[in-house]
Amino acid sequence: EVQLQQSGAELGKPGTSVKLSCKVSGYNIRSTYMHWVNQRPGKGLEWIGRIDPANGNTIYAEKFKSKATLTADTSSNTAYMQLSQLKSDDTAIYFCAILIAATPGGFAYWGQGTLVTVSS
Amino acid sequence: DIVMTQGALPNPVPSGESASITCQSSKSLLYSDGKTYLNWYLQRPGQSPQLLIYWMSTRASGVSDRFSGSGSGTDFTLKISRVEAEDVGVYYCQQFLEFPLTFGSGTKLEIK
Repeated sequence: EVQLQQSGAELGKPGTSVKLSCKVSGYNIRSTYMHWVNQRPGKGLEWIGRIDPANGNTIYAEKFKSKATLTADTSSNTAYMQLSQLKSDDTAIYFCAILIAATPGGFAYWGQGTLVTVSS
Repeated sequence: DIVMTQGALPNPVPSGESASITCQSSKSLLYSDGKTYLNWYLQRPGQSPQLLIYWMSTRASGVSDRFSGSGSGTDFTLKISRVEAEDVGVYYCQQFLEFPLTFGSGTKLEIK
């Protein structure tokens, strides 16, 4: 069974950084792309970017190019997202999600989400 | 960026009735391979989103056949037949044609 296990809630001060993780079991991340999506309190879903874990290539939404840094460690089957220069409007739940070969058209599996709260 | 616009539902929907959710894209999602890159997700309260439909009309594994997707290149519909209590949540459409991937603002389904 494919599972995405995300790291626990984070409380960050304005101007600092946090690094979130997403560990995949049951599927080799080298065979897919890892996407990240956020959801601000009471709002909809927003795509942040994706990484190809096989080669480290990344694509970001324009507004996240200087905010998020995506990396992956294929040896541990884990993807990471660092959020820098935190501001109050970075407060959100952050999800990781993947496609799989059997369901190539959409995000078939999602992590449970990591709540990031930015507050002094 | 491709803008996705979703319609609202006349909530609450009586249990056992059908509900149709609309989504419109600012650009055709029909690609040269013949596939239309439009997905539907359901996010139940307090949960992560769940993929329901991809390529506009293909149900994801394990998804009830009460859910069906249809449409053209820019106008799409998710139909839920015989709505049940477990269908409550927010439905999102998403375009998967080009980066940045974009979602609709969501359509809330409540059951009576």
